[in-house]
Amino acid sequence: EAGVAQSPRYKIIEKRQSVAFWCNPISGHATLYWYQQILGQGPKLLIQFQNNGVVDDSQLPKDRFSAERLKGVDSTLKIQPAKLEDSAVYLCASSLGQAGHNEQFFGPGTRLTVL
Amino acid sequence: QKEVEQDPGPLSVPEGAIVSLNCTYSNSAFQYFMWYRQYSRKGPELLMYTYSSGNKEDGRFTAQVDKSSKYISLFIRDSQPSDSATYLCAMSGGTGGFKTIFGAGTRLFVKA
Repeated sequence: EAGVAQSPRYKIIEKRQSVAFWCNPISGHATLYWYQQILGQGPKLLIQFQNNGVVDDSQLPKDRFSAERLKGVDSTLKIQPAKLEDSAVYLCASSLGQAGHNEQFFGPGTRLTVL
Repeated sequence: QKEVEQDPGPLSVPEGAIVSLNCTYSNSAFQYFMWYRQYSRKGPELLMYTYSSGNKEDGRFTAQVDKSSKYISLFIRDSQPSDSATYLCAMSGGTGGFKTIFGAGTRLFVKA
């Protein structure tokens, strides 16, 4: 079974530039998550999709971050414009359902550096 | 106060030692308790999952949940160099819905 795919793996941009990350979840997984993991911290949920609908985006900085999940499969996360504090690893995860006991499978992450 | 507190370490132990990793939490409504392992430059992977209170054992790993104390633990017996990683506790359920809240992670080094 193929895992969660993410691209790019690394990205370096200057502040005020825009950037986009892509995620392809495990086939058949209805729930998709985007997390931000700052160095030395645990992952923080940015947005959660159930199929192509948003379940939770309470911690997404909506003035600069946006995300969509096309046709309930792939997803993109965009930052525009980027700030220095956005430097982090952006993790995508997927699970069969959204109940608390559903195992989340994580991708390798995209490491973003904002200069 | 953070919802989930976890000592970031690092924790360094000799090969074969018993390792104890812990987290405390403040939201008494949490029902699902998990431990994830994260190797350097990789995504986290689920190690253990426990529902409500009690113990769960899987090979060299034992997870304990004490809801009365809002305290969870992960024990690793006969630790190996391959266990060197960051261990993240996580929890969900209750009034917070099914959003998973992660601890900061404890970095573990097992020396050969």
